[in-house]
Amino acid sequence: SAVISQKPSRDICQRGTSLTIQCQVDSQVTMMFWYRQQPGQSLTLIATANQGSEATYESGFVIDKFPISRPNLTFSTLTVSNMSPEDSSIYLCSVQGPSGGGEQFFGPGTRLTVL
Amino acid sequence: AQKITQTQPGMFVQEKEAVTLDCTYDTSDPSYGLFWYKQPSSGEMIFLIYQGSYDQQNATEGRYSLNFQKARKSANLVISASQLGDSAMYFCAIVETSGSRLTFGEGTQLTVNP
Repeated sequence: SAVISQKPSRDICQRGTSLTIQCQVDSQVTMMFWYRQQPGQSLTLIATANQGSEATYESGFVIDKFPISRPNLTFSTLTVSNMSPEDSSIYLCSVQGPSGGGEQFFGPGTRLTVL
Repeated sequence: AQKITQTQPGMFVQEKEAVTLDCTYDTSDPSYGLFWYKQPSSGEMIFLIYQGSYDQQNATEGRYSLNFQKARKSANLVISASQLGDSAMYFCAIVETSGSRLTFGEGTQLTVNP
């Protein structure tokens, strides 16, 4: 499976500021995914990022709040903009596995706390 | 729309015993994949096992096996010979072959007691 890294691993931010999370994969992948996991809850897909096109956002998530970049086949960023305490979550990126079965492999996550 | 239900918020098991974590699903797509992930307290998501909707055999990966009952729309995870390191949150997930979005259940917190 692909090796996925995320930066930062955790951060504490003030409300009203923005944080950009980086996701790096050690191989080229077509699709990358960004998830949010609020405290004590399951994972929710924010958006799907394809290289060379606009990200596709899920219901309830908008580009102004969560802008995503996908400059190449191994890298993506997610920005959490104008943060509030409700944005305190773990943010995870993932990529599809090679088998074609639909499994996804996840990065280690970014723990964000907004004060 | 696809949906996953995990009815056990928490489960306890003695070390070295087997445990079954329940998962039921709903989808209108005849072709789909079912997955189980483990999330330790560190927060990482670890892929455990995969079952395709057309697979005739139940999937197995080491101590993990998936009890797939298609007619009942269930995909229970069986962990044999539990170890203390198995204590974690476990998530069941589904993806319809026609799409790429993983939909997760609410998770089951497993505690393995010594």
